[in-house]
Amino acid sequence: NAGVTQTPKFRVLKTGQSMTLLCAQDMNHEYMYWYRQDPGMGLRLIHYSVGEGTTAKGEVPDGYNVSRLKKQNFLLGLESAAPSQTSVYFCASSTTGFKQYFGPGTRLTVT
Amino acid sequence: GQQLNQSPQSMFIQEGEDVSMNCTSSSIFNTWLWYKQDPGEGPVLLIALYKAGELTSNGRLTAQFGITRKDSFLNISASIPSDVGIYFCAGHPDPNAGGTSYGKLTFGQGTILTVHP
Repeated sequence: NAGVTQTPKFRVLKTGQSMTLLCAQDMNHEYMYWYRQDPGMGLRLIHYSVGEGTTAKGEVPDGYNVSRLKKQNFLLGLESAAPSQTSVYFCASSTTGFKQYFGPGTRLTVT
Repeated sequence: GQQLNQSPQSMFIQEGEDVSMNCTSSSIFNTWLWYKQDPGEGPVLLIALYKAGELTSNGRLTAQFGITRKDSFLNISASIPSDVGIYFCAGHPDPNAGGTSYGKLTFGQGTILTVHP
């Protein structure tokens, strides 16, 4: 039981490039989330999903898109990366929406 | 949006000392959670609280759900070097008080704990 895994662990992008971050969970959780963490800002919700095929905007959704085609996977896309998207990205999943379990994070630098 | 104020922002303590930190909200929550984040890792759930007044322990950690439902407290007793990290509170707004029902947590800014041996 691996819990929540994230791919890749590190990535450097140039401004304007695109990429997709993959989150996978093997706990059969309905809810999945993408957060970003910046110094002094805590965790901010980007997008979330309450089940397969559903997505919704969180607190800071601009510049990101998501898809949840399979229950176990939640993808976060950056279509045209900007330096302001340099951050650590965390995926989380939950069975109830309350107790959320986090992945190890992806460190993204946009130059 | 919802705001959580977590304090203190940072703490520098000696090994063996007790630690207290708290979170306050401007609105009523129906769930409080406490997480710990080690450097370079994702947050790990420590304690979950579901009822006003609830007091729950996990080893040397004790957390309480405030009676007003707008605050929560975390205490660490007899700190050790491996307690170093960032501690986050998180709360789920009460859907019966105008909050969302989709499990969207609000996180505090974190308390950075440093323990000197």
